[in-house]
Amino acid sequence: DIQMTQSPASLSVSVGETVTITCRASENIYSNLAWYQQKQGKSPQLLVYAATNLADGVPSRFSGSGSGTQYSLKINSLQSEDFGSYYCQHFWGTPWTFGGGTKLEIK
Amino acid sequence: DVQLVESGGGLVQPGGSRKLSCAASGFTFSSFGMHWVRQAPEKGLEWVAYISSGSSTIYYADTVKGRFTISRDNPKNTLFLQMTSLRSEDTAMYYCAREGGSSLPWFAYWGQGTLVTVSA
Repeated sequence: DIQMTQSPASLSVSVGETVTITCRASENIYSNLAWYQQKQGKSPQLLVYAATNLADGVPSRFSGSGSGTQYSLKINSLQSEDFGSYYCQHFWGTPWTFGGGTKLEIK
Repeated sequence: DVQLVESGGGLVQPGGSRKLSCAASGFTFSSFGMHWVRQAPEKGLEWVAYISSGSSTIYYADTVKGRFTISRDNPKNTLFLQMTSLRSEDTAMYYCAREGGSSLPWFAYWGQGTLVTVSA
C-alpha cells in the first residue's frame, strides 16, 4: 500500500500570510493526487485534482504543485475562511489513502 | 445541483450490524463510481469502499474487508453500506462521495455524513 505523509500536522498562521503544506508518497504516484479542505463540522471539499488543477470555484490563491513522490498545496494571502483542515489523497492504485491531515489555525 | 444525503447512522452494540444509505440526486447516478469514506472523532479521513457505476468492480479497505459490503441500486439512485461485526474502532462519521467521472477518480462531491457509534 502507498503511504501518504503530510506535514506539518498543524500550523498556526495569521490572515494574510502564505502557507505551504506538503505531502510525500511512499512511491511515485505520477501526479495522481488530490487535496481537500474540511471546515469544522463539515464534510470535505475538493480543492485540487491531478496535483495542479483547481476544482471549480476554488479561489486562485490556492495552488498545487509537485511530481513523483513530493507534492505541495500553497495558499497565498490566507483568508479567514481558509482555516480548517487539509488532506491529500493519492489515486495510484487501491487503497486510495489520505494523508494524516494538516490543521490550519488562526494565530 | 449534485446532492448526496446519507442516513442510517446511530448507536450500535459491538458485534452488531447497521446498513447505511446514500440518496443521490442532481446527476445520472448510474454513470458514476461511488465511495464510502469515514472519519473517527477528531481523526483523519479513511477511505472505506468503492463500487463502480455498474457494480462490476468493488474494492474495500483491509480494515473492513469481510465485514462491510458496498452495493448500489441504480434505478433508485441509492448507495448502501452494510456493516456487520461492528467494533468500537468503526465509530466514525461515514460519508458517501462521488468520483469526478470516468478516469476522474478524485472525490468531487461529498455528502454531509451519518454518524455511527459502536458502544455497549
